[in-house]
Amino acid sequence: GENVEQHPSTLSVQEGDSAVIKCTYSDSASNYFPWYKQELGKRPQLIIDIRSNVGEKKDQRIAVTLNKTAKHFSLHITETQPEDSAVYFCAHNSGNTGKLIFGQGTTLQVKP
Amino acid sequence: NAGVMQNPRHLVRRRGQEARLRCSPMKGHSHVYWYRQLPEEGLKFMVYLQKENIIDESGMPKERFSAEFPKEGPSILRIQQVVRGDSAAYFCASSPRTGLISGANVLTFGAGSRLTVL
Repeated sequence: GENVEQHPSTLSVQEGDSAVIKCTYSDSASNYFPWYKQELGKRPQLIIDIRSNVGEKKDQRIAVTLNKTAKHFSLHITETQPEDSAVYFCAHNSGNTGKLIFGQGTTLQVKP
Repeated sequence: NAGVMQNPRHLVRRRGQEARLRCSPMKGHSHVYWYRQLPEEGLKFMVYLQKENIIDESGMPKERFSAEFPKEGPSILRIQQVVRGDSAAYFCASSPRTGLISGANVLTFGAGSRLTVL
């Protein structure tokens, strides 16, 4: 089915701490899992993505892990900074048409 | 590359009027997606189009909403007889290709069109 659960809905951390956001999906045919960051009043922007042929991908302070068997994937942000504060959306492609199905979003607040 | 261009950025309509939102995909992109975002909510898929074809409209409301992507010109999302509940940000995204053997779409979003219905 086309459904993705994202947790937590809000996350508050101290600057320098790590933040983890988790998503669970149900479509077995999905093979592409991007993460988008949306600042207030702005467009969603792709920050990292992973395809189903790998289990982990890292880009500086951001990493994503994928467990296809369990159908869940996670975003990890280390050494958080105030500019990381935003809403983060996970997504997966729908196997039939390639459209992206988005999670409900996680509002991350990084306190200085 | 100018990216995905949407206009108007802000649109105000009275109940019963029509709203037309336009989206020009990135150069070289032939796939267009429309998403709706209500205040403090997520991105809800509406419709996926290629040139002159609607591929997936499973997220479109059954009435008053329509979309097209003609051979020439931008993609248009049309909302007839708008109601207050249509007030939202409407985002367009484009991608260069579908999820075939080499992988799935990478979507690039436009800045959005914010519709306010009075």
